[in-house]
Amino acid sequence: AQSVAQPEDQVNVAEGNPLTVKCTYSVSGNPYLFWYVQYPNRGLQFLLKYITGDNLVKGSYGFEAEFNKSQTSFHLKKPSALVSDSALYFCAVRDYNQGGKLIFGQGTELSVKP
Amino acid sequence: DVKVTQSSRYLVKRTGEKVFLECVQDMDHENMFWYRQDPGLGLRLIYFSYDVKMKEKGDIPEGYSVSREKKERFSLILESASTNQTSMYLCASSSGQGNSPLHFGNGTRLTVT
Repeated sequence: AQSVAQPEDQVNVAEGNPLTVKCTYSVSGNPYLFWYVQYPNRGLQFLLKYITGDNLVKGSYGFEAEFNKSQTSFHLKKPSALVSDSALYFCAVRDYNQGGKLIFGQGTELSVKP
Repeated sequence: DVKVTQSSRYLVKRTGEKVFLECVQDMDHENMFWYRQDPGLGLRLIYFSYDVKMKEKGDIPEGYSVSREKKERFSLILESASTNQTSMYLCASSSGQGNSPLHFGNGTRLTVT
C-alpha cells in the first residue's frame, strides 16, 4: 500500500536559518508527491508538487523540495526561515491504485522563533 | 482563485443527531473529497466523488454518508452523531486533469456532546 511518513512531529528553527521538513514515501510505481501548509484555523494550502523531471521543485512562498528516488524522500526546504512560516506542514502522495486519492502524512509542526 | 466554501466554521451537536456538513466549490471541479483531521493522525479520507451522483468510500467511511446531487456541492452526512466523530472536517476539490492539486475549504470543527 502507498504510504507517507513524516518522522518529526515538530521542527524548531531560528528566523533566518535554513529549514528542512522531512518526508519519506512508499509507493509502487512512479510517485506523485505534494506538500501542503496549514495555518491556524485554516484549511490546507498547496505549496508544490513533484510529478516528473527535475528533482528540485520550487513552490510558493520561497519553499522548495528535493525528490530523492534512492532514499524515497521528498524533503521540504527553505534557505531562510521566517516567523510567518510557522504552521503545520503535510506531505502527501497520490495513490493511483485507489482512484487517485491523496494519502497524507501525519503532519509536522514548524515553529520559527525570532 | 478556486474557492471551496464550507457552510459552518464551528458546529456543536448532540449524540444521536443527524448532522449535515455542506461544501460548495466554484471552479467546476469534477472531484470532491471529505477528510477528517485529528492530531497525530493527519488527514484521513472519508468519502470522495468523481462525478455527480457517484461516490466512493475512503479509508474511514463508517458512520458517514455523502450526497452529490450537483457538481458544485458535496455534502457529508453523519447519520447518528457520536462523540468519536468530534473532529475537524475538511472538504477539498480538484479538476479531473492529471495531477492537479486539491483545493481545501477552511474546515468545520464539529463537537459532538
